[in-house]
Amino acid sequence: GAVVSQHPSWVICKSGTSVKIECRSLDFQATTMFWYRQFPKQSLMLMATSNEGSKATYEQGVEKDKFLINHASLTLSTLTVTSAHPEDSSFYICSARDKGVGAEAFFGQGTRLTVV
Amino acid sequence: SQQGEEDPQALSIQEGENATMNCSYKTSINNLQWYRQNSGRGLVHLILIRSNEREKHSGRLRVTLDTSKKSSSLLITASRAADTASYFCATWGGSYIPTFGRGTSLIVHP
Repeated sequence: GAVVSQHPSWVICKSGTSVKIECRSLDFQATTMFWYRQFPKQSLMLMATSNEGSKATYEQGVEKDKFLINHASLTLSTLTVTSAHPEDSSFYICSARDKGVGAEAFFGQGTRLTVV
Repeated sequence: SQQGEEDPQALSIQEGENATMNCSYKTSINNLQWYRQNSGRGLVHLILIRSNEREKHSGRLRVTLDTSKKSSSLLITASRAADTASYFCATWGGSYIPTFGRGTSLIVHP
């Protein structure tokens, strides 16, 4: 299957700082990318959906000013956690979908964020 | 938005035994996919089954889909210790946004 690369795989940051997570589709053009958040032993909760060149659509309860998403090109989307706090510590996973209706979505390796 | 619900939430078996996990969903789907996640890692795609299919096989994996009951099952035959992981089903509806269930935590004892 297609490859989605997520970077970094883990990051530790201090409270109040911002962290940027990158999601790249390596061998296909991702018209749509999804960002998920996963707490320990929980499922993946969709945070937002982004389409290349347009603003992201956030799920209810997700603060768009805190979780900034930029889908600047067909191969790159970024999630920036601004003014991070310990409660933002979580596992973040991106997913990228190829063009075409019904196209399969591929997942990145995930990023473990720890805010201290 | 979470649609799929896996059952059981946890499953503990011995190596060599079969493991069966179920997934139920609420609305119409285009396809359903099963994923595996090792602790603290990303998702690995296992198998996709489309809404017009009833059964698919891939190696030791067998997936069934019953759209009338809005349910799917994942069977892992002859399980191995390396199969220990969490397994999630994800459904794709009209919006083509993958929506995940809570997952089944499988432990295979050597």
